[in-house]
Amino acid sequence: GENVEQHPSTLSVQEGDSAVIKCTYSDSASNYFPWYKQELGKRPQLIIDIRSNVGEKKDQRIAVTLNKTAKHFSLHITETQPEDSAVYFCAARSSGGYNKLIFGAGTRLAVHP
Amino acid sequence: NAGVTQTPKFRVLKTGQSMTLLCAQDMNHEYMYWYRQDPGMGLRLIHYSVGEGTTAKGEVPDGYNVSRLKKQNFLLGLESAAPSQTSVYFCASSYGLAGPREQFFGPGTRLTVL
Repeated sequence: GENVEQHPSTLSVQEGDSAVIKCTYSDSASNYFPWYKQELGKRPQLIIDIRSNVGEKKDQRIAVTLNKTAKHFSLHITETQPEDSAVYFCAARSSGGYNKLIFGAGTRLAVHP
Repeated sequence: NAGVTQTPKFRVLKTGQSMTLLCAQDMNHEYMYWYRQDPGMGLRLIHYSVGEGTTAKGEVPDGYNVSRLKKQNFLLGLESAAPSQTSVYFCASSYGLAGPREQFFGPGTRLTVL
């Protein structure tokens, strides 16, 4: 079945450092890859997304890269701040339609002052 | 706009009891989804709906039923709760237009089954 693997499961960085989270997906027909941030006790919220016809997208300190050949995409956060501490989920749109998403297991990012 | 809302926020059930979780959205979205979130397992799709009166099974549908009698509401039912259904439940909604669309999530319901 469709699957999204996410690594690492936990990530600890010093404030100001960069953080990278990586995901691989199994369905070569997936064409949309969103990233969600979930703060403790809160709902997941979209922070950035990328479509399969684009290799890279950037929004201020966050960027996402996509390698369709390798079925791999990554989230990059630069100049990390304590408020970046959260769980981050990658997802891939299912080729089964209806905008269904297959989520990775999540990465808990801790940014230490 | 309230966006996506869920009731209740918390609930404790005994094994075998039943309950219904309500999701409501005011964004006129066609598609709605129910997920469960368990530690280390991300978000898994339980059931979804692509329009009023339609529902379909997701990845983990067993033990749950759903109904969408009105476009803005999506109900998730547990007929006979089991401890394995202890989880945080999230509802989400999105537009049904062609092409990928952002899913908007509700605040979640934390359910404990004793």
